[in-house]
Amino acid sequence: DVKVTQSSRYLVKRTGEKVFLECVQDMDHENMFWYRQDPGLGLRLIYFSYDVKMKEKGDIPEGYSVSREKKERFSLILESASTNQTSMYLCASSSTGINVLTFGAGSRLTVL
Amino acid sequence: GENVGLHLPTLSVQEGDNSIINCAYSNSASDYFIWYKQESGKGPQFIIDIRSNMDKRQGQRVTVLLNKTVKHLSLQIAATQPGDSAVYFCGERAAGNKLTFGGGTRVLVKP
Repeated sequence: DVKVTQSSRYLVKRTGEKVFLECVQDMDHENMFWYRQDPGLGLRLIYFSYDVKMKEKGDIPEGYSVSREKKERFSLILESASTNQTSMYLCASSSTGINVLTFGAGSRLTVL
Repeated sequence: GENVGLHLPTLSVQEGDNSIINCAYSNSASDYFIWYKQESGKGPQFIIDIRSNMDKRQGQRVTVLLNKTVKHLSLQIAATQPGDSAVYFCGERAAGNKLTFGGGTRVLVKP
């Protein structure tokens, strides 16, 4: 019954490493989103995509990039991880015209 | 939405009582609002939503109230159960298809 799958639940990386966070949805949704979640700060939008090969910056895109080569897959990339990117990362998807986001279980990243 | 720094506000509720979770939203142009529930170790789950042309919407044991005059949203949970213990957060949509979210409120249900 899992709809949005994030490949890694927990990752520990070192400063300067390149990090890939993968997200796959099986609902044929057009829209996909990456948020980070920090205590008390809520969910902050990093990047989103409305279609394959399309991407748009969210509210906090600095230090991140994304890739959407296939409709079902949306990857978040940290080119050079830093300690302030230690966070919970949540992927979500939605269908065009539908406002409700379906979230994955999250990927908790620790950068040492 | 709410920004309470590093600490989540916490609502302690006796099992069986009603819970009211509040959210102040920031943009008077927001036309859509949503509530999510997030249990420990899980991703957020959709609870209920409401459009700005409505004041109230009811679901199963939950009611969302919208007061556009004071930019306030609330989620009421009837007969709170232990399984309702979670972090609840509201979201608003102001432009495009982007949702922005508040910091959340932790609900602890006491047996």
